[in-house]
Amino acid sequence: DTAVSQTPKYLVTQMGNDKSIKCEQNLGHDTMYWYKQDSKKFLKIMFSYNNKELIINETVPNRFSPKSPDKAHLNLHINSLELGDSAVYFCASSQVGGGPNTGELFFGEGSRLTVL
Amino acid sequence: QKEVEQDPGPLSVPEGAIVSLNCTYSNSAFQYFMWYRQYSRKGPELLMYTYSSGNKEDGRFTAQVDKSSKYISLFIRDSQPSDSATYLCAMSEETGGFKTIFGAGTRLFVKA
Repeated sequence: DTAVSQTPKYLVTQMGNDKSIKCEQNLGHDTMYWYKQDSKKFLKIMFSYNNKELIINETVPNRFSPKSPDKAHLNLHINSLELGDSAVYFCASSQVGGGPNTGELFFGEGSRLTVL
Repeated sequence: QKEVEQDPGPLSVPEGAIVSLNCTYSNSAFQYFMWYRQYSRKGPELLMYTYSSGNKEDGRFTAQVDKSSKYISLFIRDSQPSDSATYLCAMSEETGGFKTIFGAGTRLFVKA
């Protein structure tokens, strides 16, 4: 039973299109994240949601709009896609507060976005 | 200057070698230090978790943190081909904090 699942795994699209990536976690965690990993494997945080509330927005362009309908889901919608958006987008979740390993991030398998 | 610096490698070693992976950082507020392992086309998974300065050992893996030098290390003893992966250091200012900062990751290849 997959802990953090995201769809789709692969996405190939044209510049200017709009696309969405969905994420669900069944770990009962209260915090979810979107990370972007570029071609050099650099993993950079984009957004963090705690109990459906936006906590972190790391100067991401307005074309990226996250949405958390409930604690178990975090979606990412991207408008007007650009070549530089090509990357692997990882969803992650964690439980904030309490315990020695609190804050451990559980990642999905990633959604590989290619913009042509 | 990035908050966390990590040599991306690649690092290639023979099976059985001792591997040393390192990161430096600039933010003295970091207190929680982690190493994640990422296999090809998979998400990162937590390997080691250390609070403040000191050593932590788990099987063939040892994590070291030197806060005075702002330097962390991961040692892998008796490396195996199955250890071939990208290793990402990560750190945060508080446990359960919302913001974990990652290094660029070091690609490791262990040759049989």
